[in-house]
Amino acid sequence: GAGVSQSPSNKVTEKGKDVELRCDPISGHTALYWYRQSLGQGLEFLIYFQGNSAPDKSGLPSDRFSAERTGGSVSTLTIQRTQQEDSAVYLCASSVPGQGAGGYTFGSGTRLTVV
Amino acid sequence: TQLLEQSPQFLSIQEGENLTVYCNSSSVFSSLQWYRQEPGEGPVLLVTVVTGGEVKKLKRLTFQFGDARKDSSLHITAAQPGDTGLYLCAARLNTNAGKSTFGDGTTLTVKP
Repeated sequence: GAGVSQSPSNKVTEKGKDVELRCDPISGHTALYWYRQSLGQGLEFLIYFQGNSAPDKSGLPSDRFSAERTGGSVSTLTIQRTQQEDSAVYLCASSVPGQGAGGYTFGSGTRLTVV
Repeated sequence: TQLLEQSPQFLSIQEGENLTVYCNSSSVFSSLQWYRQEPGEGPVLLVTVVTGGEVKKLKRLTFQFGDARKDSSLHITAAQPGDTGLYLCAARLNTNAGKSTFGDGTTLTVKP
């Protein structure tokens, strides 16, 4: 697609439920990133994919968080047994490694609220 | 410890004023990016700087990368209300792959 697409744009869930967040990157972008942003703050790195592999998952806060990417395209971030501290905006970005010296194209994010 | 320190955290100015925001680190980076983010949207890339001492201009915005590639500044001339937003710097240790580390941002408000 023309841009990075994320769905849903908003998600309200009850504490303890599982949620899945989806990211559809720009076609041909082999690198995909997930970040988390609390209100008015900077971005916290979660995980990085190159193709379908995740060479850096060091930012995942706990084993309740997991992500996968299939076909070198769509990625899903799953949060199990959600907690209130998981409430944040989850941002996905994609890029072509080595092109543009590292700038990303971001989606509009999924705002997750755990009640 | 925050890898990238941005200052000031908040800035509120009148239309027509000039301003500078800073991004500092003790680490050396291969490249540094500046993004602007508006409420409800993802960050939008403004510029990437790669070479120490590099200066780039984007209309009324001037970006500079420090000689030692540890710091950067963003200067806005004659600010307009449309410049309002969260300005984020981000840096990468490796230009080819891997994550970017982001600062906490500068929230700029330009009053008409």
